[in-house]
Amino acid sequence: NAGVTQTPKFRVLKTGQSMTLLCAQDMNHEYMYWYRQDPGMGLRLIHYSVGEGTTAKGEVPDGYNVSRLKKQNFLLGLESAAPSQTSVYFCASTEQGAGTEAFFGQGTRLTVV
Amino acid sequence: DAKTTQPPSMDCAEGRAANLPCNHSTISGNEYVYWYRQIHSQGPQYIIHGLKNNETNEMASLIITEDRKSSTLILPHATLRDTAVYYCIVRVAPMYSGGGADGLTFGKGTHLIIQP
Repeated sequence: NAGVTQTPKFRVLKTGQSMTLLCAQDMNHEYMYWYRQDPGMGLRLIHYSVGEGTTAKGEVPDGYNVSRLKKQNFLLGLESAAPSQTSVYFCASTEQGAGTEAFFGQGTRLTVV
Repeated sequence: DAKTTQPPSMDCAEGRAANLPCNHSTISGNEYVYWYRQIHSQGPQYIIHGLKNNETNEMASLIITEDRKSSTLILPHATLRDTAVYYCIVRVAPMYSGGGADGLTFGKGTHLIIQP
């Protein structure tokens, strides 16, 4: 039982490049989330999903897209990376949504130059 | 969701109890208090949550005042590994918000430093 696994752990992109971050959970959770965390700040919600095939915008969705084609996977895409998207990205999943315990991945450290 | 206020940082000696306060004076009746911690930029880790009664688990105790306007997280015997940022989050329980699907709102938390 691995919990929540994020791929990759580190990445450096050039401005304008695209990439996809993968989040996989093996707990059969319905809800999944993508957050970003900037230095000295708390986590901010980018997008979330309440089930396979569904997605919704969070607090800071601009510049990101997501997909949930399979229940266990939640993908975060950057179509044209910008230096402002340099951050640490965390994925999380919960059984019933934010009202119960959330399980987080170990993060992806992304630098856009 | 109700707003929370936490001190930006605290120190505690190793082996002593660490008491982390949180103010949530605008909390409403259907909102729970949750605590998470984040150790050195790892993913946040759930600690405990409660509604109005005091709660205890293998990690910590949560004391909620009778008027529910504040709470204290207690780590009974702090170790160096407890050095982390601790987040107090107030959130509507799933049965009231249709699942509480739209994530947790994180503030800046309290940076707890355990001194040897």
